[in-house]
Amino acid sequence: DIQMTQSPSSVSASVGDRVTISCRASQYINSWLAWYQQKPGKAPRLLIYTASTLQSGVPSRFSGGGSGTDFTLTISSLQPEDFGTYYCQQANSLPITFGQGTQLAIQ
Amino acid sequence: EVQLLESGGGLVQPGGSLRLSCAASGFSFNDYAMSWVRQAPGKGLEWVSAINSRSEYMFYADSVKGRFTISRDNSKDTLYLQMNSLRAEDTAVYYCAKDSGDCSRTSCSEFDYWGQGTLVTVSS
Repeated sequence: DIQMTQSPSSVSASVGDRVTISCRASQYINSWLAWYQQKPGKAPRLLIYTASTLQSGVPSRFSGGGSGTDFTLTISSLQPEDFGTYYCQQANSLPITFGQGTQLAIQ
Repeated sequence: EVQLLESGGGLVQPGGSLRLSCAASGFSFNDYAMSWVRQAPGKGLEWVSAINSRSEYMFYADSVKGRFTISRDNSKDTLYLQMNSLRAEDTAVYYCAKDSGDCSRTSCSEFDYWGQGTLVTVSS
């Protein structure tokens, strides 16, 4: 199985800050990576797929990068509504696996 | 508008069974793969099972293989998860998730829509 490792596990930042979350795959996954945002008590929301494609309706301050085994999710200018937990997910092969999550708090 | 509505969760004793349903609307259900993803209390996301659009391929996490069965009825736009021999560690919110495409024999895609989840509690 492909293991997905996110860093950091948690981050706190201020409105307007640039925030970057990393995700590393234990094997090569090309660009088959997605990012999700989850708020407490809610279902996850797809933000980015195929590593860098913005899902429809997602603000342009979100961007994704990387390929192979190392990936990033960047929020260019943090907004109050961006709090929550962020997960990466590999779609290269079964079983589908998720990272352990990164909790983002607004200072 | 895409909607996924799960039902069937509840409290069940260890060793018991439960059947989850997910009613889909707002898209052509028979064109897309579907999955179940669960989240134990305070924990991260865990993929459980997937089924391709025509029910040709069913995939399972090792943690549920042999105990859970995924199925779908394209005439009713409904996804199911039959859960048998339930254990305490199966306690979680179970989400129904729509794949952005279809699964091949070896891979599925990302999930572009999710239901609100249904809570399954396994406890005596």
